[in-house]
Amino acid sequence: ETVLTQSPPTLSMSQGETATLSCRASQSVDSDLAWYQQKPYQAPSLLFYDASTRATGVPARFSASGSGTEFTLTISSLQSEDFAIYYCQQYNDWPLTFGGGTKVDIK
Amino acid sequence: VQLVESGGGLVQPGGSLRLSCAASGFRFSSYWMHWVRQAPGQGLVWVSRINTDGTKTTYADSVKGRFTISRDNAKNMVYLEMDSLRVDDTAIYYCAGDSGTYFVPENWFRPWGQGTLVTVSS
Repeated sequence: ETVLTQSPPTLSMSQGETATLSCRASQSVDSDLAWYQQKPYQAPSLLFYDASTRATGVPARFSASGSGTEFTLTISSLQSEDFAIYYCQQYNDWPLTFGGGTKVDIK
Repeated sequence: VQLVESGGGLVQPGGSLRLSCAASGFRFSSYWMHWVRQAPGQGLVWVSRINTDGTKTTYADSVKGRFTISRDNAKNMVYLEMDSLRVDDTAIYYCAGDSGTYFVPENWFRPWGQGTLVTVSS
């Protein structure tokens, strides 16, 4: 099973700052990685798939990169609606697994 | 595009529950469908998936032999039959769509339903 480790667990940021979130895989997942955003009391929503392909409707201030075992989600100029929990998910290996999440909260 | 789950509730350990997920606004019969769960305050865990015509199913080891996924394309519905429920099955259960081809799922998830809470407790 591929374990995904997200860091940091919590990121305290101010509106307008740039947030950088990390997802590390225990073995290579090539580019088979997705990112999701989950706001309180809501379902997750897809941000990126194939490591860096932005899903429809996702603002351009969100970007993602990486391959193999190291992946990054960057949120430029944080807006109030971006404070949420972010999860990575791999689909290269069975079973499908998620990281533990990074919570981006207001400093 | 919408997924709406129902059927959650309180059940005793060893009991059974059937979750339903109603799809609308997209070509349901072309989508693989998955169930993903989230224990209170915890992360996301994949549970099960079913292919477009319901002929192929896959399960996480933790639910294999206890849970059964099925679908009815005529009704745009996907189901999760849960038997021999355990306390650690307590979670919000989300259904999620997967726009892969008939033969190959994408295995990433869009759209998601709002979830239904299953509580297993005596």
